[in-house]
Amino acid sequence: KAGVTQTPRYLIKTRGQQVTLSCSPISGHRSVSWYQQTPGQGLQFLFEYFSETQRNKGNFPGRFSGRQFSNSRSEMNVSTLELGDSALYLCASSLLTPSTDTQYFGPGTRLTVL
Amino acid sequence: KQEVTQIPAALSVPEGENLVLNCSFTDSAIYNLQWFRQDPGKGLTSLLLIQSSQREQTSGRLNASLDKSSGRSTLYIAASQPGDSATYLCAVSSYSGAGSYQLTFGKGTKLSVIP
Repeated sequence: KAGVTQTPRYLIKTRGQQVTLSCSPISGHRSVSWYQQTPGQGLQFLFEYFSETQRNKGNFPGRFSGRQFSNSRSEMNVSTLELGDSALYLCASSLLTPSTDTQYFGPGTRLTVL
Repeated sequence: KQEVTQIPAALSVPEGENLVLNCSFTDSAIYNLQWFRQDPGKGLTSLLLIQSSQREQTSGRLNASLDKSSGRSTLYIAASQPGDSATYLCAVSSYSGAGSYQLTFGKGTKLSVIP
């Protein structure tokens, strides 16, 4: 069974631009969560989607948004990029809910904002 | 607000040694606790998941324990190997309101096993 895939793996953007990251969960998994990882803050929860609906949201500004498609694939978008948005963005999928099911993580997208 | 702390931040041990990694959390009302491994530049790999009603879980050389009342978990690694070198993260699932649960991660312990 294929694992969680994320594209692109690396991105370089400049301040003020916007970016879209993509995540394909494991086949059959319906929950997709997004996390931001930085050396200073560690791993922080962004949001979780289930059946095309945002089910949970972390404490991030509205510049961070996401969506999920009917095939469970998910995208996250960051608008008006800031230097502090440079981070590793990780996507994780689970069967139904991350609260009870094991989460499987993708390799991440490394975003650098110049 | 749930907070998760992992001590030490880094640990270096000789090959073959048994070791313990620690994780503590502030709110004992958790749903479950998970231990992950992260290799440099890569995503996370789930190692063990302990439900709140359980006291421990074992997988091969790994054993994780959970003491919910004291807000602590330990990950025991037996007979460490150089391939165990990685960052180990602890995450707790707790209620975040409106029927939702959220994972809160510690900042990890970076383990180096010296051949």
